[in-house]
Amino acid sequence: AQSVAQPEDQVNVAEGNPLTVKCTYSVSGNPYLFWYVQYPNRGLQFLLKYITGDNLVKGSYGFEAEFNKSQTSFHLKKPSALVSDSALYFCAVGDYKLSFGAGTTVTVRA
Amino acid sequence: DTEVTQTPKHLVMGMTNKKSLKCEQHMGHRAMYWYKQKAKKPPELMFVYSYEKLSINESVPSRFSPECPNSSLLNLHLHALQPEDSALYLCASSQVRGSTGELFFGEGSRLTVL
Repeated sequence: AQSVAQPEDQVNVAEGNPLTVKCTYSVSGNPYLFWYVQYPNRGLQFLLKYITGDNLVKGSYGFEAEFNKSQTSFHLKKPSALVSDSALYFCAVGDYKLSFGAGTTVTVRA
Repeated sequence: DTEVTQTPKHLVMGMTNKKSLKCEQHMGHRAMYWYKQKAKKPPELMFVYSYEKLSINESVPSRFSPECPNSSLLNLHLHALQPEDSALYLCASSQVRGSTGELFFGEGSRLTVL
């Protein structure tokens, strides 16, 4: 069985401040972890993934994520948020059959 | 070309209508997917095609009928739908099933059933 949890429905930050979106996972084997972003009325866009290797993964649009095996977490981070980062973010686990988290709405205020 | 193209973008249909959603990709991907997404919720997997063969059907009602005519095209045929089927339908593709590669999603077809 595999699942991810996103404990925060909403994250609000000011532009220029660091942004963190939390995700914890539960898998029986090796975790294949992904982050996707969805802008209003759009499809999902891939941001980054962790399969194996370095615990710090760099992705699109300045985002990165840290894989922490002991805490079973895969938090998404951006050092300096932009208003244009306001969107719905999904963490997911799996290979061909992804299990998505409930999603976190990020609002970045100017 | 890294796009997945879905048509139509919007569709309104009555409960007795028959319509189809179409999806096309030219990335050489051999796995294609249909997802259903309600507002502010995560996508729910409906079907997976691998090498043009249906490999996963997530117990989807028969009023939804998928078809994969070739490696670039994926259709979803709709018949006798219910108002609760109104949602955003997303098509996605990946290199092969189980490759741990990312999914590429289309923009979606927003379906309203009256």
